[in-house]
Amino acid sequence: EAGVVQSPRYKIIEKKQPVAFWCNPISGHNTLYWYLQNLGQGPELLIRYENEEAVDDSQLPKDRFSAERLKGVDSTLKIQPAELGDSAVYLCASSPRLADTQYFGPGTRLTVL
Amino acid sequence: AQKVTQAQTEISVVEKEDVTLDCVYETRDTTYYLFWYKQPPSGELVFLIRRNSFDEQNEISGRYSWNFQKSTSSFNFTITASQVVDSAVYFCALSGLQTGANNLFFGTGTRLTVIP
Repeated sequence: EAGVVQSPRYKIIEKKQPVAFWCNPISGHNTLYWYLQNLGQGPELLIRYENEEAVDDSQLPKDRFSAERLKGVDSTLKIQPAELGDSAVYLCASSPRLADTQYFGPGTRLTVL
Repeated sequence: AQKVTQAQTEISVVEKEDVTLDCVYETRDTTYYLFWYKQPPSGELVFLIRRNSFDEQNEISGRYSWNFQKSTSSFNFTITASQVVDSAVYFCALSGLQTGANNLFFGTGTRLTVIP
């Protein structure tokens, strides 16, 4: 069974530029999560989807971050414009249903110059 | 509030030594889950184990074992006869079903280095 797929793996951009990350969850997993992981820290939840509905986006900085999960499968996380402080690893995870074990993708390492 | 504390920032052991990674948690939920994940240098978080709050039985899987004690709010992880491939950052995490909204709260991780 294929795991969670994320792309790109690495992204380097200049500040004020837009950037987007893509996630394809494990087939059949209804719940999808985006996490932010700063260096030396554990992941922190940005947004959680149940199918195509964002049910918890309280930690998403909505002035510059947006996300979507069209058709309840793939998801895209966007930052516009990026700031220096956005440099981090962005992880996507999925689970069959809420409260089930979450399985993580390899992450996208973003560097903002 | 949900909180996970991993007091050990970094641990180094020589290959074949046993090592225990500590995890202490805080939650007001009566139903919750505890997890351990491994993050090797490649960056992907690898699921190791999930325990629910009603099951305090210790678990062993090969060289890995977990000790869950509700009385001390701890969920410690022991690697027996460590190997170089065990070198990684290990995260303990908590998911509370009531106030925690089923979201995962991670500790800050323990970096384990196994020296050959």
